[in-house]
Amino acid sequence: SQQGEEDPQALSIQEGENATMNCSYKTSINNLQWYRQNSGRGLVHLILIRSNEREKHSGRLRVTLDTSKKSSSLLITASRAADTASYFCATDEDDYKLSFGAGTTVTVRA
Amino acid sequence: DADVTQTPRNRITKTGKRIMLECSQTKGHDRMYWYRQDPGLGLRLIYYSFDVKDINKGEISDGYSVSRQAQAKFSLSLESAIPNQTALYFCATSGTGVSNEQFFGPGTRLTVL
Repeated sequence: SQQGEEDPQALSIQEGENATMNCSYKTSINNLQWYRQNSGRGLVHLILIRSNEREKHSGRLRVTLDTSKKSSSLLITASRAADTASYFCATDEDDYKLSFGAGTTVTVRA
Repeated sequence: DADVTQTPRNRITKTGKRIMLECSQTKGHDRMYWYRQDPGLGLRLIYYSFDVKDINKGEISDGYSVSRQAQAKFSLSLESAIPNQTALYFCATSGTGVSNEQFFGPGTRLTVL
């Protein structure tokens, strides 16, 4: 069964605005990853945060992890049209398989 | 050249036909995975292989089988395709380090009529 659950399911923002999406999960994890999927294409890894980390940055991406609440957030700052995509969180439990959520679809309007 | 390739990219077939989806990788990874993606359901794991002799069922393996012909090749078969197997199928690979970042192929869009 799917471990992660993203919220919201869909998000529409103006170019230049920030986009925030959340992921909740159920069991303890080794790490949590975020992936991006452009329409109908393969997923691309964005960032990984380990269970002992609370915040991580990569370019315009900021990820937080709260293991006490079993939740993570992904913030995309200064969004661009090219950020239009679906974003998935994936949790790694104990045997290096990943469990993906259903994703958040982000639309950036020009 | 792409690190993870899938063939075919698109396939339309009829109920009851046997279908094979192929995946090749040049990343030198031991771990390979097959997922299916349905609208609104994210990715679900069908089978995974941690090396040539280690193949495991995922959460939705019924109706599917796999073959790991070599480190670089992992094939998914639908022995007798049915319409509810219409989906987007992805192959992925990962290394054996602590970070199990996965690298995805471009996907195969399969339609079963």
